[in-house]
Amino acid sequence: EAGVTQFPSHSVIEKGQTVTLRCDPISGHDNLYWYRRVMGKEIKFLLHFVKESKQDESGMPNNRFLAERTGGTYSTLKVQPAELEDSGVYFCASSLTGRNTEAFFGQGTRLTVV
Amino acid sequence: GQQLNQSPQSMFIQEGEDVSMNCTSSSIFNTWLWYKQDPGEGPVLLIALYKAGELTSNGRLTAQFGITRKDSFLNISASIPSDVGIYFCAGDLYGQNFVFGPGTRLSVLP
Repeated sequence: EAGVTQFPSHSVIEKGQTVTLRCDPISGHDNLYWYRRVMGKEIKFLLHFVKESKQDESGMPNNRFLAERTGGTYSTLKVQPAELEDSGVYFCASSLTGRNTEAFFGQGTRLTVV
Repeated sequence: GQQLNQSPQSMFIQEGEDVSMNCTSSSIFNTWLWYKQDPGEGPVLLIALYKAGELTSNGRLTAQFGITRKDSFLNISASIPSDVGIYFCAGDLYGQNFVFGPGTRLSVLP
């Protein structure tokens, strides 16, 4: 069974440009999460989808970040326009529904804004 | 918001030694997860804990869900070089989102 996959694995863009990250969760996982790890700090929550609905987007840093999950399958996270402080590793995770569930992570997308 | 603290922040040990690290929170959780991250990879789940007091093993790894529901520890016995990496704890209360600790960086000296 395929795990959580993310694309691209690396992205280098200039300040002011737009970047779109994609996450394909494990098939059948209704819950999809986006996390970010910046500058070697802790992994921080960005938002949580349940199917196509945004359950919690309290971690989104500002309105330059837009996440979508059309059809409740894969998700995209767009950063527009990118700023230097957006650099970091963006992780996606997915889980089944229910209290006793684990989140499985993708390999992450390393975003560098120059 | 909820915050997790992990200690130690980093540790250097000799191959073969046992390792102990812990995670504490100011608020309670219903689930504790321990992940390991290798360079360039995403976090990989090691152990999941769902009940206060629960003690669970996975090979050389043992983790416990603290009785107060505000802490958890992870032990690694007889460390080997491939144990090197960053170990993250994560807590969840209502199955909404997982709060991560800052990680413990483990280095194993031959």
